[in-house]
Amino acid sequence: TQLLEQSPQFLSIQEGENLTVYCNSSSVFSSLQWYRQEPGEGPVLLVTVVTGGEVKKLKRLTFQFGDARKDSSLHITAAQTGDTGLYLCAGAPTGGFKTIFGAGTRLFVKA
Amino acid sequence: DAGVIQSPRHEVTEMGQEVTLRCKPISGHNSLFWYRQTMMRGLELLIYFNNNVPIDDSGMPEDRFSAKMPNASFSTLKIQPSEPRDSAVYFCASRPWGHSPLHFGNGTRLTVT
Repeated sequence: TQLLEQSPQFLSIQEGENLTVYCNSSSVFSSLQWYRQEPGEGPVLLVTVVTGGEVKKLKRLTFQFGDARKDSSLHITAAQTGDTGLYLCAGAPTGGFKTIFGAGTRLFVKA
Repeated sequence: DAGVIQSPRHEVTEMGQEVTLRCKPISGHNSLFWYRQTMMRGLELLIYFNNNVPIDDSGMPEDRFSAKMPNASFSTLKIQPSEPRDSAVYFCASRPWGHSPLHFGNGTRLTVT
């Protein structure tokens, strides 16, 4: 059982479409991070959200942390082929330092 | 900054052989993590160290797995004896403090035949 549940597991869309991926848990997290991983490489940090209700924007990517700090979402506007990759959410449940990962959302953006 | 350095990038070995994976964390980072990634199970935390001391090894699958961090700039993950089900990509990651984000190496792809 994954402590961090990500959905959908796989997403294939056309360039220019919008999409949202979700990261949910029954546990409270002091912060959540989103990473992106490309084939043959390790995950690379996109953003950290810390405050309940926080919204952060990174160009066409919008990240939101739930009010109760148990869930997060990533919204991509006007997806591009360069957005293709595996998107992972991660965090350490409150009180701990052990960083765990969700199973990931594999995104494929077609030209 | 050279980033987290892992070696080898690829390892192919026969069942029963000993395998040693190596990691050099970013200088000044005081926490080091070992993860294993497969399609079926995603990224699983195996063990993490704080200031070279193992803090949580509850993710280490069996006694066949062991990890050491003799100093702040080097860690190893050893599998002895290896089995085909150990085939995966093994990642090392480090971070400077507390809940700061992780910096990953490019992984070691292990194939056990």
